Order: sequence, then structure tokens, then C-alpha cells
Amino acid sequence: GIQVEQSPPDLILQEGANSTLRCNFSDSVNNLQWFHQNPWGQLINLFYIPSGTKQNGRLSATTVATERYSLLYISSSQTTDSGVYFCAVGSGYSTLTFGKGTMLLVSP
Amino acid sequence: EAQVTQNPRYLITVTGKKLTVTCSQNMNHEYMSWYRQDPGLGLRQIYYSMNVEVTDKGDVPEGYKVSRKEKRNFPLILESPSPNQTSLYFCASKKGYEQYFGPGTRLTVT
Repeated sequence: GIQVEQSPPDLILQEGANSTLRCNFSDSVNNLQWFHQNPWGQLINLFYIPSGTKQNGRLSATTVATERYSLLYISSSQTTDSGVYFCAVGSGYSTLTFGKGTMLLVSP
Repeated sequence: EAQVTQNPRYLITVTGKKLTVTCSQNMNHEYMSWYRQDPGLGLRQIYYSMNVEVTDKGDVPEGYKVSRKEKRNFPLILESPSPNQTSLYFCASKKGYEQYFGPGTRLTVT
């Protein structure tokens, strides 16, 4: 099956700093999503981005499908950005394979 | 409010005692899925359903059953729970590619 690797595994930032999270995947995909799991466990869909670039406020994501990676950018980080960020990929509609996540802690 | 609900949110049980975790969505989504989340492993798909009466195995289906008799409900059944099924379980539904997750059920099997 598809392998998904996320880096870094852990990240500590001061509030206001910028960060880049990376997701590498082992095979062609037509589905790639980024999720945020907040400290209370809730999973939120951030982006559906199998290719190209999208932006939503302070967050943006870029996927280069031909090189099998995706990047999630967080600018001007806030304490509410803390949590775990997951990349998930799929080659069809029915299944998603998740990476192990990047745990982000933003300190005030 | 559009949402996916799960019950119970927390459950402690003993080995071998059958249990069911319910999942319901109010968005009329055809697709529903169950995942388990374990430390250091991310989320792994247990079962999914493309529509009523259509279910299929995910990556870790052993020890689990599901049913999809109505579009809105997708219960997860553990016929004989074992300690290695102690985990955080998420139900999800989607239309198109945007997936909505339930709040999670933390299950402990002793």
C-alpha cells in the first residue's frame, strides 16, 4: 500500500513564528488531505489538495504530485494552532492512508 | 447543525463482552467510515461503506464488524473485544472528498 511519511514528528514554536510541515508519499495519488487534531481530540479538515496550492487565512498548502510531496505552511502561529497535523492520501475515493502526524506546540 | 455523532464517548469494558459503538450523520452522506487511532500510528481505517448495504474492509478489519442498514447510521461492533482493541475510534462521513469526523470514542478493554 501507499506509504506516508510526515516530518518533522514534533515541532515547538513561539507564538508568531512561521512553520512548514512536510508530507511525502510513495505512490501516485488522486486524493490528499490535511487535517488538524486539536488538543481535545477533534479532527478538522484543513485542505483537500491533490495538486496545486490553496490558502485559507494563515494556512496554506502546496502539493507537487509529480514529486510526491505536500507542504503545509502555518504563518504567524497562534497557541490555538497547537495539536497534531495529519496528512492523508488515497489513490481512489474509498480509502485514505494517514501519516503518523506532526505534533505542534505553540507557546505564548 | 451538520455533524457526525458517536456514542458512547468513553467506554471501559472487559475482554469478551460484546459491544457496539454507534455512529450517526445528518448530512445525507453516502460514504461512511471507521478509523482507530493509536499513539505513534496515526489513524488506520477499519471498515468503510459506500452506501446502504455496501461495506468493505479497510486496513485493520480483524475483530470488528459493521452494518449499514440505513444511510445515516454505521455502527461498529466488537463481538469479543480484546485488550489490543483499546484505542480511540473515529467515525467519519463524506460527500465528495471532504471528510467530517465524529468526536471520537475512547475504548478501554481490560
